[in-house]
Amino acid sequence: AQSVSQHNHHVILSEAASLELGCNYSYGGTVNLFWYVQYPGQHLQLLLKYFSGDPLVKGIKGFEAEFIKSKFSFNLRKPSVQWSDTAEYFCAVIGAGKSTFGDGTTLTVKP
Amino acid sequence: DSGVTQTPKHLITATGQRVTLRCSPRSGDLSVYWYQQSLDQGLQFLIQYYNGEERAKGNILERFSAQQFPDLHSELNLSSLELGDSALYFCASSVGQNEQFFGPGTRLTVL
Repeated sequence: AQSVSQHNHHVILSEAASLELGCNYSYGGTVNLFWYVQYPGQHLQLLLKYFSGDPLVKGIKGFEAEFIKSKFSFNLRKPSVQWSDTAEYFCAVIGAGKSTFGDGTTLTVKP
Repeated sequence: DSGVTQTPKHLITATGQRVTLRCSPRSGDLSVYWYQQSLDQGLQFLIQYYNGEERAKGNILERFSAQQFPDLHSELNLSSLELGDSALYFCASSVGQNEQFFGPGTRLTVL
């Protein structure tokens, strides 16, 4: 069975702090990996994705993620967060046509 | 705007009733996914259709059913509604196993 685990349920940071959100998945086959963001009152939007190739992927708004195959991880990072990054972040895996989302991490950035 | 449309935006109904949620995918996308998002259970994958055929099934209750029509729009039918079915229902579409584009959601309130 496919599963996704996001380590932090709620993260609170001050502006300009660095961010790292953990994501681990379990699936034996080939997967496509995604990070989505959901701003308050809005639908999910894609931040970045990994299919193959360079394991360090860059997304929108200064976000990046690193795929570490040996650790089944796909952690999201941003060197300096802004108040406007306050949102919920979801890690997702698609394998064999089935999509699985993590429980989400709520990020609150204090100005 | 993701290109995915969902109607209605809001729906309020009573326990025991049946409702139909509608989704139109982005032009050219053959896959449609349905998700339920609630405060206590997070984002749950319900079901996926690809070009009219059921492709993958997640945590979908037997009281719920879906279909995808020849014009690729999809409907999610929820019957014998319970208070616990109150949630945001998202539809997403994609090309193959690529990133999913989410619609604005239908907020269902069961009274």
